[in-house]
Amino acid sequence: AQKITQTQPGMFVQEKEAVTLDCTYDTSDPSYGLFWYKQPSSGEMIFLIYQGSYDQQNATEGRYSLNFQKARKSANLVISASQLGDSAMYFCAFKGAGSYQLTFGKGTKLSVIP
Amino acid sequence: AAGVIQSPRHLIKEKRETATLKCYPIPRHDTVYWYQQGPGQDPQFLISFYEKMQSDKGSIPDRFSAQQFSDYHSELNMSSLELGDSALYFCASSLQGRSYEQYFGPGTRLTVT
Repeated sequence: AQKITQTQPGMFVQEKEAVTLDCTYDTSDPSYGLFWYKQPSSGEMIFLIYQGSYDQQNATEGRYSLNFQKARKSANLVISASQLGDSAMYFCAFKGAGSYQLTFGKGTKLSVIP
Repeated sequence: AAGVIQSPRHLIKEKRETATLKCYPIPRHDTVYWYQQGPGQDPQFLISFYEKMQSDKGSIPDRFSAQQFSDYHSELNMSSLELGDSALYFCASSLQGRSYEQYFGPGTRLTVT
């Protein structure tokens, strides 16, 4: 079974600074996808970014980028120029190529300080 | 753009009662997924459907059942509710073959008293 590990239960970052949220995974699947979701206090799950295991380049979406290091099995999320609205829980998730389900990590609570 | 619709948004039930949660996927999406997120927990996959057939199954209790209808909407039926079933239930949808693009609904918050 796949395992997703987010080692940072909580993180603080100053407004306008960059922050990196860690995610490591354990799998023997040759093909898979990695995801990051944001969950504000209101509860909805907002998709941020996706990285396929065969993608040659790191994924980027606006202020979000995914630092994918396949050999180290890590998929860290980098948020540049943090904003107060970035304060939320962030979940890393894994999906095997032959599976429909997302497996989530325990999440990291990010707090942006003015 | 249209999003996934879930109803009701909030539901309060007593122990041993039944509950039905509904999910209306994004137009043209033919695959739906159900996830359960307990308080302070990460979401756990329950079950998914494509073309009214179960496509994958996770940690769904035997007391729960789900189905997908011909218009692609889905219902999650929960019986003999327990206090531990109190959670946020998400439905997500995607196009078949694009399960890496799962769009989540706002969730139904179920409270069992």
